[in-house]
Amino acid sequence: GENVEQHPSTLSVQEGDSAVIKCTYSDSASNYFPWYKQELGKGPQLIIDIRSNVGEKKDQRIAVTLNKTAKHFSLHITETQPEDSAVYFCAAGDGGSQGNLIFGKGTKLSVKP
Amino acid sequence: EAGVAQSPRYKIIEKRQSVAFWCNPISGHATLYWYQQILGQGPKLLIQFQNNGVVDDSQLPKDRFSAERLKGVDSTLKIQPAKLEDSAVYLCASSSIQGDSDTQYFGPGTRLTVL
Repeated sequence: GENVEQHPSTLSVQEGDSAVIKCTYSDSASNYFPWYKQELGKGPQLIIDIRSNVGEKKDQRIAVTLNKTAKHFSLHITETQPEDSAVYFCAAGDGGSQGNLIFGKGTKLSVKP
Repeated sequence: EAGVAQSPRYKIIEKRQSVAFWCNPISGHATLYWYQQILGQGPKLLIQFQNNGVVDDSQLPKDRFSAERLKGVDSTLKIQPAKLEDSAVYLCASSSIQGDSDTQYFGPGTRLTVL
């Protein structure tokens, strides 16, 4: 089955710096790669997603890149702000008929003012 | 548009007791998911419904966990009897398109502590 590895597990940056989180997946049939932000005591919230027919997608300060050949995808946050502090999860759609998502273990991002 | 609703938000029980969680998905969403999120890990799928039918329950510990989605809207997840290792956050999510890995919207979760 699908396996998703996420690195780093913790990331600390200064306000205004960029943050990069990387994920690799194992199932070449996966075709959907969302990123979720989870704040303390809340459920995961989708922040951006990318499908396998696209190599890069941007939404204001957030961008995601996908390399299907290497089976890895990354989240880039520019001009980080303290409110970006949270746990970020990557996930991969298993490419089957059910639309199930396999999640990474998460990255705790801390943005220091 | 109202989001995914879950209750209760917190629950503390003794081991071997039973517990039930409730989820109301976003209106019109045909697909409903229950996930288990153990502290420090990503969510893990327990069961997926399409309307009121089960699509995938391969990772549901069926000896103690059960779930139903009567009338294809609300859903309940039950644990009976609970074990210490069931302590986790139980997340419900819903999506509007099944079979296309479409966007899943999560509820706030129910934090279960088993003592």
